[in-house]
Amino acid sequence: DGGITQSPKYLFRKEGQNVTLSCEQNLNHDAMYWYRQDPGQGLRLIYYSQIVNDFQKGDIAEGYSVSREKKESFPLTVTSAQKNPTAFYLCASSIGYTGELFFGEGSRLTVL
Amino acid sequence: GEDVEQSLFLSVREGDSSVINCTYTDSSSTYLYWYKQEPGAGLQLLTYIFSNMDMKQDQRLTVLLNKKDKHLSLRIADTQTGDSAIYFCALADEPGGYNKLIFGAGTRLAVHP
Repeated sequence: DGGITQSPKYLFRKEGQNVTLSCEQNLNHDAMYWYRQDPGQGLRLIYYSQIVNDFQKGDIAEGYSVSREKKESFPLTVTSAQKNPTAFYLCASSIGYTGELFFGEGSRLTVL
Repeated sequence: GEDVEQSLFLSVREGDSSVINCTYTDSSSTYLYWYKQEPGAGLQLLTYIFSNMDMKQDQRLTVLLNKKDKHLSLRIADTQTGDSAIYFCALADEPGGYNKLIFGAGTRLAVHP
């Protein structure tokens, strides 16, 4: 079955530690995205990538970093510079320029 | 930039119709979208409407678009308990930028017997 796999589903981190969230897709989609979801707020775009080896900042990129070395993979690193990292993180992909995003099941990060 | 607003909660009785509303400030988005999120899961595209349409019907779903008032709505007929979820409206952030979506905060729909 084609889809998007995010891991881990739950993650706990101590303050000051970096953590990397994995996102893999086998849909052969060109574009991939990372969104952050907080209660009572809409999804906010962190980073997106339209092709391999290229990515752009979204609205809340500070304290995050990404890479896109392979079409299938778009990992997100939450760095210690991110002041409020506890959130639900969603990865998505799409076929080029279409608003139909396919989402993974999310990763919930809690900073202790 | 684009601002998308939705009410946060809606409670309906099973079998009734649900209407979820969305307003936006400024859109040149070619398409406007409704996504559904079930508990603990990612979002799924539910339906969308092309910006030059007023209405789109898809089985139990009806989307209405009022461009003059910048108002989008999703009507679910004969609402079932399986429709309980969070519903997000979304628009593209820029002309032709279909893939850079701005989401509303989401409306949590609770369906009770």
